[in-house]
Amino acid sequence: QVQLQQSGPGLVKPSGTLSLTCAVSGGSISTNNWWNWVRQPPGRGLEWIGEIYHSGNTHYSPSLRSRVTMSVDKSKNQFSLKLNFVTAADTAVYYCARGLEAYHHGMDVWGQGTTVTVSS
Amino acid sequence: QSVLTQPPSASGTPGQRVTISCSGSSSNIGGNTVSWYQHLPGTAPKLLISTNNQRPSGVPDRFSGSKSGTSASLAISGLQSEDEADYYCAAWDDSPNGLWVFGGGTKLTVL
Repeated sequence: QVQLQQSGPGLVKPSGTLSLTCAVSGGSISTNNWWNWVRQPPGRGLEWIGEIYHSGNTHYSPSLRSRVTMSVDKSKNQFSLKLNFVTAADTAVYYCARGLEAYHHGMDVWGQGTTVTVSS
Repeated sequence: QSVLTQPPSASGTPGQRVTISCSGSSSNIGGNTVSWYQHLPGTAPKLLISTNNQRPSGVPDRFSGSKSGTSASLAISGLQSEDEADYYCAAWDDSPNGLWVFGGGTKLTVL
């Protein structure tokens, strides 16, 4: 079955760029699924960041759109998140997740989570 | 402030039935399906219910979902200690460009 494995630094300096990658195993990224990023700041709930299709089409959260870039690397079967100009408010556990083939009916496979701290 | 509204907490004793509500609007729950997630500390969220009331393989039938208009609910029957977790509802929102919206989460305590 499909599994998602996240990688990336756990510490980012203020005003820097947060970069995370989610590798897809057990299946192809080029399927009829959208690939999502979700985060959870300390003590708060889940917040959707955005999603990307294997074609490169994206939807981003309006609150983060100006700072977010998502990309797909089909040759490596993985997708990535970049968040620019980070502040302490971007400190969170970040998850990647697969959207169901039924368009926007849920997210069924999740990565293990990456704790990212923004601090100098 | 989350787009979808959930009670911050719920509780029940083992064996009881508990329901968690999720309220939205016509642009999200009213026009799209609802999914529910169980989130235990230190683990990834787990999909419990998709498409308003569909249980993925492996999810016990003690968990059920329903939707009416712009509201949805998650019911857990035969409450067990391992059900103690945070529960989130989510739906796609048809705002310009579209986005996923989540509820603020409900902390379920098994007394």
